[in-house]
Amino acid sequence: NAGVTQTPKFQVLKTGQSMTLQCAQDMNHNSMYWYRQDPGMGLRLIYYSASEGTTDKGEVPNGYNVSRLNKREFSLRLESAAPSQTSVYFCASMSRSQGGPNYGYTFGSGTRLTVV
Amino acid sequence: AQSVTQLGSHVSVSEGALVLLRCNYSSSVPPYLFWYVQYPNQGLQLLLKYTSAATLVKGINGFEAEFKKSETSFHLTKPSAHMSDAAEYFCAVSDKGTYKYIFGTGTRLKVLA
Repeated sequence: NAGVTQTPKFQVLKTGQSMTLQCAQDMNHNSMYWYRQDPGMGLRLIYYSASEGTTDKGEVPNGYNVSRLNKREFSLRLESAAPSQTSVYFCASMSRSQGGPNYGYTFGSGTRLTVV
Repeated sequence: AQSVTQLGSHVSVSEGALVLLRCNYSSSVPPYLFWYVQYPNQGLQLLLKYTSAATLVKGINGFEAEFKKSETSFHLTKPSAHMSDAAEYFCAVSDKGTYKYIFGTGTRLKVLA
């Protein structure tokens, strides 16, 4: 099925460990995004990539890095995990050609990350 | 900066009753507005969107929302709640010319039998 695929679905890290969250979409979308979801805070944008080859900081970028590997893939890296990064992470994508920003995101199913 | 406010983090309604979830945005220029639904342990799914065409927007599962510029609101309604509507609902806004959405803090809807 077409869509946004995130791996892994669950992860437990120790403080200080590093890891990369993977995201891939097969809808030929230009723009990709990483959000984190925390109780009572909604979704907050971490980083986004408006098009292949570009990345920009969102609302809460500290402690994260991203790579837009190609048009399909957009990874999020935690270099030194902290308990404050315990969250559910969502990747999303959007086509800039199909109506632009009024088209709507397609979301992945999320990665639940716990840092102990 | 663009922002969106959802009044009421939790809303309970009886099955068959009207559902009203509130969303207000801050912008001097009408933005694009969206409602998303999230079922437990799932990603977000687009319910409906406002893109400056009709002010009354119909979405999936019987939901609709009305854009009111004078009130800077985009409230979500459904005439008759169903048990399957229990989920968390997020309002989102996007400035025209940008490709970033700002989300509200969400409203968890509980439907009582």
